[in-house]
Amino acid sequence: AQKVTQAQTEISVVEKEDVTLDCVYETRDTTYYLFWYKQPPSGELVFLIRRNSFDEQNEISGRYSWNFQKSTSSFNFTITASQVVDSAVYFCALSRNTNAGKSTFGDGTTLTVKP
Amino acid sequence: DTAVSQTPKYLVTQMGNDKSIKCEQNLGHDTMYWYKQDSKKFLKIMFSYNNKELIINETVPNRFSPKSPDKAHLNLHINSLELGDSAVYFCASSQDPGQGGGEQFFGPGTRLTVL
Repeated sequence: AQKVTQAQTEISVVEKEDVTLDCVYETRDTTYYLFWYKQPPSGELVFLIRRNSFDEQNEISGRYSWNFQKSTSSFNFTITASQVVDSAVYFCALSRNTNAGKSTFGDGTTLTVKP
Repeated sequence: DTAVSQTPKYLVTQMGNDKSIKCEQNLGHDTMYWYKQDSKKFLKIMFSYNNKELIINETVPNRFSPKSPDKAHLNLHINSLELGDSAVYFCASSQDPGQGGGEQFFGPGTRLTVL
């Protein structure tokens, strides 16, 4: 069975602080995919990143960076110099190697960035 | 051009009524999904169709019936609506991870309120 745990339910930071959102997953598959999605207050769900299980390179996209570590089954997301527009619910998700298997979403972390 | 569209965006109805939500994607994806997001923002998958075939049917009351007339459409019909059905329903689509996809593209959501 697959499981995704986002232990941080809510995080509150002040603008310009760095913040890391944790994601820990469980799977018996050797090939799998990990994702992060953002849901701002407007409600839409936006895809941020996909990572496959064979690619442990960290990824950086502007102020966003992701750290994938198979040894700890973690796929953490860091926002550097946070901004008010980063306030959102962030979901981590895990998918099998085929759409015949479902994607499992974590419960989400609500990030509030205060000015 | 909207990638994944849902109609209606808002749906307010009385308990006991029957209602439908429509979803269309123009991304050429093989798989479509329905998710329910409750007031705590938890995302739960309800159904998944791959090339018009039902592949995932989570523990959902049989009052909910999905229908996929073709690969680009996945509709959700709900009979005998109950108060607990009030939620935001998201449609999503994805390509097979083996074909370089896996990430899900979500519609704008349908906020269903049952009175």
